[in-house]
Amino acid sequence: GEDVEQSLFLSVREGDSSVINCTYTDSSSTYLYWYKQEPGAGLQLLTYIFSNMDMKQDQRLTVLLNKKDKHLSLRIADTQTGDSAIYFCAESINNDMRFGAGTRLTVKP
Amino acid sequence: KAGVTQTPRYLIKTRGQQVTLSCSPISGHRSVSWYQQTPGQGLQFLFEYFSETQRNKGNFPGRFSGRQFSNSRSEMNVSTLELGDSALYLCASSQNGRGVTDTQYFGPGTRLTVL
Repeated sequence: GEDVEQSLFLSVREGDSSVINCTYTDSSSTYLYWYKQEPGAGLQLLTYIFSNMDMKQDQRLTVLLNKKDKHLSLRIADTQTGDSAIYFCAESINNDMRFGAGTRLTVKP
Repeated sequence: KAGVTQTPRYLIKTRGQQVTLSCSPISGHRSVSWYQQTPGQGLQFLFEYFSETQRNKGNFPGRFSGRQFSNSRSEMNVSTLELGDSALYLCASSQNGRGVTDTQYFGPGTRLTVL
């Protein structure tokens, strides 16, 4: 398909790990991104991974990339209530960027 | 460095009016892109400006237009507003352009409500 796909909702308990999944469209995508959007705010770049990498870790965030399946995931360790937000997956292809619909992460105390 | 700033943050207009939104990119960034975000359509690309020229354009009617100034600041204009134009309008800046090796940084957005 032509869409970047994400599940719409995820609910976890504080302290647990969260895993947000994304399926992207084009195997020639150069970079893949994760953005976070809190209520009433713009998109905040969380992390990105170059397409020739399998994994990238940045503090509590781990990005895994499966190029064969065009699958990208974002793992948040020790999820906190402040992590509650909408998370967008995005891919860059040539001079274009495509975004998923966003996954709303709810963290319960 | 200061981030991307957008003004105003909130705007209420009525159908038929026109509106101008402003975006100041991160210092040194030459590319500014505009997006419309709605609950139903998600994030959709409007257009991108680079060195005062529109370089890319999304699938929006001609009522949506923009421009970029020599200092890279950009404005977006929507004429003859419709109820469906109610959305969060996001501006993003990057050094040279969208995608590839150039990461976009987003502003907080302007929330436009059309009554």
